[in-house]
Amino acid sequence: EAGVTQFPSHSVIEKGQTVTLRCDPISGHDNLYWYRRVMGKEIKFLLHFVKESKQDESGMPNNRFLAERTGGTYSTLKVQPAELEDSGVYFCASSQDRLGANEQFFGPGTRLTVL
Amino acid sequence: QKEVEQDPGPLSVPEGAIVSLNCTYSNSAFQYFMWYRQYSRKGPELLMYTYSSGNKEDGRFTAQVDKSSKYISLFIRDSQPSDSATYLCAMSAMGGSWGKFQFGAGTQVVVTP
Repeated sequence: EAGVTQFPSHSVIEKGQTVTLRCDPISGHDNLYWYRRVMGKEIKFLLHFVKESKQDESGMPNNRFLAERTGGTYSTLKVQPAELEDSGVYFCASSQDRLGANEQFFGPGTRLTVL
Repeated sequence: QKEVEQDPGPLSVPEGAIVSLNCTYSNSAFQYFMWYRQYSRKGPELLMYTYSSGNKEDGRFTAQVDKSSKYISLFIRDSQPSDSATYLCAMSAMGGSWGKFQFGAGTQVVVTP
């Protein structure tokens, strides 16, 4: 069974540009999460989808970040316009259902560098 | 003050020794406690998941939760060089924020042959 996949693995962009990150969860997993780790800090929660609905987006830093999960399958996280402080590793995770919400399986991450 | 505190290490041990890792937390609402292992440039990999207080064992790994002290531990017996990685604790609460993990900063472990 394929795990959580993320694309791209690396992205280098200039300040002010737009970047879109993609996450494909494990097939059949209703829950999809986005997390971010910036340099020297712990991994922080960004938001949580249950199928196509946003369950919790309390961790989204500001309105430059837009997450979508159309059709309840893959998800995208768009940063527009990107700022220097957005650099970091963006992880996606998925879990099967509410009972299994704490068994989250993580993708390899997308390393974003904003110059 | 951070909600979850974890010593970043590095923690260096000889092969075969017991690795002892721990996290403390301040939020008494946390009910679920997870340990993840992360190799360099990879995503976190779930090792152990416990609910509330008590011990849980899985092979060479033992997780302990002491909710009265707000303290969790992970022990790795008979450590191997392949156990060299960063170990992350994560916690979550029930209710409206279910599934929202609070992570520790991670402890880097080095097991030397």
